[in-house]
Amino acid sequence: ILNVEQSPQSLHVQEGDSTNFTCSFPSSNFYALHWYRWETAKSPEALFVMTLNGDEKKKGRISATLNTKEGYSYLYIKGSQPEDSATYLCALDFGNEKLTFGTGTRLTIIP
Amino acid sequence: DVKVTQSSRYLVKRTGEKVFLECVQDMDHENMFWYRQDPGLGLRLIYFSYDVKMKEKGDIPEGYSVSREKKERFSLILESASTNQTSMYLCASTKGLDNSPLHFGNGTRLTVT
Repeated sequence: ILNVEQSPQSLHVQEGDSTNFTCSFPSSNFYALHWYRWETAKSPEALFVMTLNGDEKKKGRISATLNTKEGYSYLYIKGSQPEDSATYLCALDFGNEKLTFGTGTRLTIIP
Repeated sequence: DVKVTQSSRYLVKRTGEKVFLECVQDMDHENMFWYRQDPGLGLRLIYFSYDVKMKEKGDIPEGYSVSREKKERFSLILESASTNQTSMYLCASTKGLDNSPLHFGNGTRLTVT
């Protein structure tokens, strides 16, 4: 099983500050990279599905980039808000939608 | 919006019991998945299904089985629950098109005593 690493494990950010975290992987032999947001007591929610030939993805204040050559994806949050507090999961699709997940980055926004 | 419903939010079972975790999706999705989530580990795939009556083992199928008699329902079965199966269980579904995201249920937190 290919290792999907996410860093940092946890992060505290002041409200209004921007932040980013990383998903790294040793090989580009996958079909797509997924980002999910998982708020406490809710179900994980898809943010982005990034293909190997795709450009930066953006949804409101959140954006993601993918660098398959160097083996990482960044998730950026601009102007953090309390509702951004969640665990952010990265996953690789090696085919047939069988995803391999990282351990997540737990983000806490400090008001 | 797709709704994926897991029958129980919390379950407490005894060692040796047979346990059924039920999952229903309402958007005619082809593919359904069962994952478990444990502290310090990423979501791990237990079983998945691409069609009715079809099932495939994921990365950690030992101690589990599944049933998909209808397209909308995917059940996870713990034949004889053990304490190491205490975990958060998440069901998910997808349409089956290229690069479609997973739609997750709220999860079932199972404790085996």
